[in-house]
Amino acid sequence: QVQLVQSGSELKKPGASVKVSCKASGYTFTTYSVNWLRQAPGQGLEWMGWINTNTGDPTYAQDFTGRFVFSLDTSVSTAYLHFSSLKTEDTAVYYCARGEINWLDPWGQGTLVTVSS
Amino acid sequence: QSVLTQPPSVSGAPGQRVTISCTGSSSNIGAGYDVHWYQQLPGTAPKLLIYSNNNRPSGVPDRFSGSKSGTSASLAITGLQAGDEADYYCQSYDSNLNAVAFGGGTKLTVL
Repeated sequence: QVQLVQSGSELKKPGASVKVSCKASGYTFTTYSVNWLRQAPGQGLEWMGWINTNTGDPTYAQDFTGRFVFSLDTSVSTAYLHFSSLKTEDTAVYYCARGEINWLDPWGQGTLVTVSS
Repeated sequence: QSVLTQPPSVSGAPGQRVTISCTGSSSNIGAGYDVHWYQQLPGTAPKLLIYSNNNRPSGVPDRFSGSKSGTSASLAITGLQAGDEADYYCQSYDSNLNAVAFGGGTKLTVL
């Protein structure tokens, strides 16, 4: 079946960097974009942007430029979210989800990133 | 401040019908972009519930339905069950922001 499986939880100190992976299976990876979303504790969903898995071109939402980088390894059907100069406010669950401009389906199970000194 | 506006909470008794509204503007829902709905059960990832305004993915019960009119959309849930307690999010696309846009989410409580 079509699914996205994300890497496990991370505990990082402020100023560090982290890389979250999202491995796709059950479909041809390069035919759908991968989106990244953030959900802070007790808050709603924020769309961070997407990466075109055919061209590798990323698109970042306004609030997620600079410290955030989307990348791919198509040989293993995996998308990555890398972000640096971590702040405590980056503590959140990060999701990947398959989709173009329309609906997002399926979603990965989420990766909790905790930033704490 | 979310681009799409949802009520923070709704509630209903088992068996009843509830609706959740999603209000946008001329740069998103009113521009003709489709509305999609997600259900997020406690401690889990969001799951697609309704796509393209009024379509149910395979496996979603017909108790869930969606509609869209003008700059707004609605999700209706009939025959409420305890297992429907969750957060519900609407989503569309905003042409001013060139971004996927979400509502702030609505918490459904089954009394």
